[in-house]
Amino acid sequence: DAGVTQSPTHLIKTRGQQVTLRCSPKSGHDTVSWYQQALGQGPQFIFQYYEEEERQRGNFPDRFSGHQFPNYSSELNVNALLLGDSALYLCASSLDLRDTQYFGPGTRLTVL
Amino acid sequence: AQSVTQPDIHITVSEGASLELRCNYSYGATPYLFWYVQSPGQGLQLLLKYFSGDTLVQGIKGFEAEFKRSQSSFNLRKPSVHWSDAAEYFCAVGDGNEKLTFGTGTRLTIIP
Repeated sequence: DAGVTQSPTHLIKTRGQQVTLRCSPKSGHDTVSWYQQALGQGPQFIFQYYEEEERQRGNFPDRFSGHQFPNYSSELNVNALLLGDSALYLCASSLDLRDTQYFGPGTRLTVL
Repeated sequence: AQSVTQPDIHITVSEGASLELRCNYSYGATPYLFWYVQSPGQGLQLLLKYFSGDTLVQGIKGFEAEFKRSQSSFNLRKPSVHWSDAAEYFCAVGDGNEKLTFGTGTRLTIIP
């Protein structure tokens, strides 16, 4: 049984560019959450998707947006990249809104 | 607002010695509490969780944690550490898993 998968593994962008990160949840999971983990910090909640809708959002600007597809996979989009967006982006999936979240390996984004 | 404090940034323990990692939380209602472990360059793996019931929770890899409401604490323990336990440990609090708030983590180093 495949766990949560994320792509790409690493990504390098320059300031002002846009980036799309992808996440496939564990089989049977319908809820996807995204977190940003800056170097030396704990993960911070960005937003959560359930039934293709954003259900909850953390304290992140509108430059951060997402989408969930009918097969429950999800994308995280970040526009107008800033140096401070450099981080490990983690995706977590769960069976529903109140189930344990299981994390993927993350995408390391570097903004130059 | 919910928050988590992990007072110890870095702990060094000899292999075979006992371990206790501290976690204090702030939350208005009965919290959902978690411990995750992160190896370098990896995602987060769930060690254990507390939702309700018995305040002593058993997890994977020989870890346990005790919920103490009066102290707002959820400390992680292991009676005898192994070199493979070296990693970053994160405590998190959530409301039914809709959003997890993480501490800043404790880095565990094991010496022979």
